[in-house]
Amino acid sequence: DQQVKQNSPSLSVQEGRISILNCDYTNSMFDYFLWYKKYPAEGPTFLISISSIKDKNEDGRFTVFLNKSAKHLSLHIVPSQPGDSAVYFCAASVPQGGSEKLVFGKGTKLTVNP
Amino acid sequence: DAGITQSPRHKVTETGTPVTLRCHQTENHRYMYWYRQDPGHGLRLIHYSYGVKDTDKGEVSDGYSVSRSKTEDFLLTLESATSSQTSVYFCAISRTSSGAANAGELFFGEGSRLTVL
Repeated sequence: DQQVKQNSPSLSVQEGRISILNCDYTNSMFDYFLWYKKYPAEGPTFLISISSIKDKNEDGRFTVFLNKSAKHLSLHIVPSQPGDSAVYFCAASVPQGGSEKLVFGKGTKLTVNP
Repeated sequence: DAGITQSPRHKVTETGTPVTLRCHQTENHRYMYWYRQDPGHGLRLIHYSYGVKDTDKGEVSDGYSVSRSKTEDFLLTLESATSSQTSVYFCAISRTSSGAANAGELFFGEGSRLTVL
């Protein structure tokens, strides 16, 4: 069963507008959530994260919102830039046996049009 | 640059042949991971290591084995490659001593693209 779901495979927005990427999860034991960005032929890179005890975290143009009751998080990018065009992966962390492992969603391909 | 090197970066092989992918880190971190990325599946954990000779399975470990004889090297082996193992493989490290994502996140290598014919 898929514990982290990104239901939109792709999203297209205009430069300067807001991009909103969504992620749903099923496991209430997840204690930390992260977003990664991936360009073609490169490894994923960490973008922003949020603890399960918070509902918002902001870093420059990027803000992540967490709604625990709905088991939903979203990544807002404002304003969107063409360089933001990439695949974005939502990930969740669950403590397990002294370590933590990340469970990833399938990704959403964001295209920002000039 | 997280000091992670994957080799080979590209490999084409025949079904039934053994394949070993290498992940090398220069920062002496304890936790290392192997993920595979496939269209429609995102990133899935194959195996991970929490120290020399200490490894554990991830969600898609069947058909794969790993070894970690030195802190800096984490090897992923496909004993007998199959076409379903055609994928892009990513190694990752955690920079925290406990491997906790909340403190250090994961840093990924550039990937190894494997094609099994």
